[in-house]
Amino acid sequence: GIQVEQSPPDLILQEGANSTLRCNFSDSVNNLQWFHQNPWGQLINLFYIPSGTKQNGRLSATTVATERYSLLYISSSQTTDSGVYFCAVYLYYNNNDMRFGAGTRLTVKP
Amino acid sequence: DGGITQSPKYLFRKEGQNVTLSCEQNLNHDAMYWYRQDPGQGLRLIYYSQIVNDFQKGDIAEGYSVSREKKESFPLTVTSAQKNPTAFYLCASSIKPGAGELFFGEGSRLTVL
Repeated sequence: GIQVEQSPPDLILQEGANSTLRCNFSDSVNNLQWFHQNPWGQLINLFYIPSGTKQNGRLSATTVATERYSLLYISSSQTTDSGVYFCAVYLYYNNNDMRFGAGTRLTVKP
Repeated sequence: DGGITQSPKYLFRKEGQNVTLSCEQNLNHDAMYWYRQDPGQGLRLIYYSQIVNDFQKGDIAEGYSVSREKKESFPLTVTSAQKNPTAFYLCASSIKPGAGELFFGEGSRLTVL
């Protein structure tokens, strides 16, 4: 089955620093989303980005589907950015199956 | 407000008991999903439903059951056959199967005593 790999698994930053999170996937996908899981467990939608680049405030994401990766950029990080970031992909051959990576745990220190 | 409501948020049960987790959406979405998350792990698909009166097994369906009698509702029953039921359960929906964004409820945390 498809492999979804996120790196790094853990990241510790000082407030104000920038970071790049990566998501690699092993097969063709129809769709890709980035989520932020807050400390209470809720999954917040960040980007729906099957291809191209999107920006939302301090966050931006780029997906290069032909090369099977996506990047999430966080600029000027804040303590509220802490949590786990997941990427998830819809399989090209099974539209009902969204596969999640293991996540990147981000800690932003004041 | 449109969204997905899960209840209860926290649930404790004794071994051998079945428990049902509720998931209701008012987004008019056709597709609904149940995921399980264990500590420090990603999400794994339990069951999904593309349309009313239809549902399919995901990767880890053993010990779980679902129903989809109404478009808005997709309850999950954790049966006594599920060997390790303590976990965080998340319900999600999308407008169509495999299309559009996936939106999540706030989750239900089940602890088996």
